[in-house]
Amino acid sequence: AQKVTQAQTEISVVEKEDVTLDCVYETRDTTYYLFWYKQPPSGELVFLIRRNSFDEQNEISGRYSWNFQKSTSSFNFTITASQVVDSAVYFCALRSGYSTLTFGKGTMLLVSP
Amino acid sequence: DAGVTQSPTHLIKTRGQQVTLRCSPKSGHDTVSWYQQALGQGPQFIFQYYEEEERQRGNFPDRFSGHQFPNYSSELNVNALLLGDSALYLCASSPRTGTTDTQYFGPGTRLTVL
Repeated sequence: AQKVTQAQTEISVVEKEDVTLDCVYETRDTTYYLFWYKQPPSGELVFLIRRNSFDEQNEISGRYSWNFQKSTSSFNFTITASQVVDSAVYFCALRSGYSTLTFGKGTMLLVSP
Repeated sequence: DAGVTQSPTHLIKTRGQQVTLRCSPKSGHDTVSWYQQALGQGPQFIFQYYEEEERQRGNFPDRFSGHQFPNYSSELNVNALLLGDSALYLCASSPRTGTTDTQYFGPGTRLTVL
């Protein structure tokens, strides 16, 4: 069975602060894929990034960066210099084998001006 | 390039009724998955359709059924609605490229059962 844990239910920051969203996953498969999605108040899940289990290279995309560590089964997401438009619920998800996506419960990020 | 579209946006039904939700996949995608997202929770997988057949199914009762059409669009049907079926129903599409395919989601249909 696979499981995704997002221990942070809600995070509140002030604009321009850096914020890290934590994600811990469990799977017995050696090949798997990790994802982050953003869900603004409109409800649509917006794909942000996908990481393969055999590629531990961290990635930076603009103000976003992701830290994938197999040793700790973590795939954390950092937003640098947060903005009000970053306010949303962020979901970490896992896919292994031929299974479909397993989501965490999400972390609500509130960025105030 | 049109993304995933869903209809209707919102729906209100009463217990015992039946409902049909619709989804059109992103251009170039032939696999459609449906998810239920209860308030404050992550999406839960209902089932996936490919080549007009149900390929995978999550832990949902038979009241939940679906269909995929030759143009890859899909429907989700829920019979004998319960109050607990109130949720955001999300459709996701992906290209059939094995386990590496990324699922892209539509805006969802918010179902309220009274």
